[in-house]
Amino acid sequence: DVKVTQSSRYLVKRTGEKVFLECVQDMDHENMFWYRQDPGLGLRLIYFSYDVKMKEKGDIPEGYSVSREKKERFSLILESASTNQTSMYLCASGGGTVYGYTFGSGTRLTVV
Amino acid sequence: ELKVEQNPLFLSMQEGKNYTIYCNYSTTSDRLYWYRQDPGKSLESLFVLLSNGAVKQEGRLMASLDTKARLSTLHITAAVHDLSATYFCAVVSGSGNTPLVFGKGTRLSVIA
Repeated sequence: DVKVTQSSRYLVKRTGEKVFLECVQDMDHENMFWYRQDPGLGLRLIYFSYDVKMKEKGDIPEGYSVSREKKERFSLILESASTNQTSMYLCASGGGTVYGYTFGSGTRLTVV
Repeated sequence: ELKVEQNPLFLSMQEGKNYTIYCNYSTTSDRLYWYRQDPGKSLESLFVLLSNGAVKQEGRLMASLDTKARLSTLHITAAVHDLSATYFCAVVSGSGNTPLVFGKGTRLSVIA
């Protein structure tokens, strides 16, 4: 089974802190994605990556950046955390008809 | 821009009853996915529908796809409490390994 591992289930950070959310997949997928999930808004795409060192903006990239130095790891960075970034963050990898998309267990981030 | 609409957004149904969740999308797509999410948990893949007329069944859930109408349905047969969850449909924009675009989800509650 594909495993997508997010390093933290729960995080509490202070406003203005730089925050790193880590995601690792073990199936050699080229594609990786970061979404945030908020009640009533569903899942919204923040950034995605098709390959190492490549990144593409999604629908809501403002306030975020990403890093993909190795194929298996895709990091989401909140440059200066704000309270409106309190949310559930979900990482996914895969795509295509064979593998589909597999999601990590999510990181619930609270910014205070 | 691809938009995905689900309805209803909330569904309360009695055990033993049947019901259907609808998923409409706005532009051509070659793949549609259904996911389940339990409270506080990540997304679990239910079905991948790849072609017009595709039908897949797993237990009390059956999903179908009509690409001409840009419509997928998730039919629940003889609901049981264990089916209580939020169900998402998601569509790939175009072909290839592009990101999923999600509907807002249907929160299903099955009551005795």
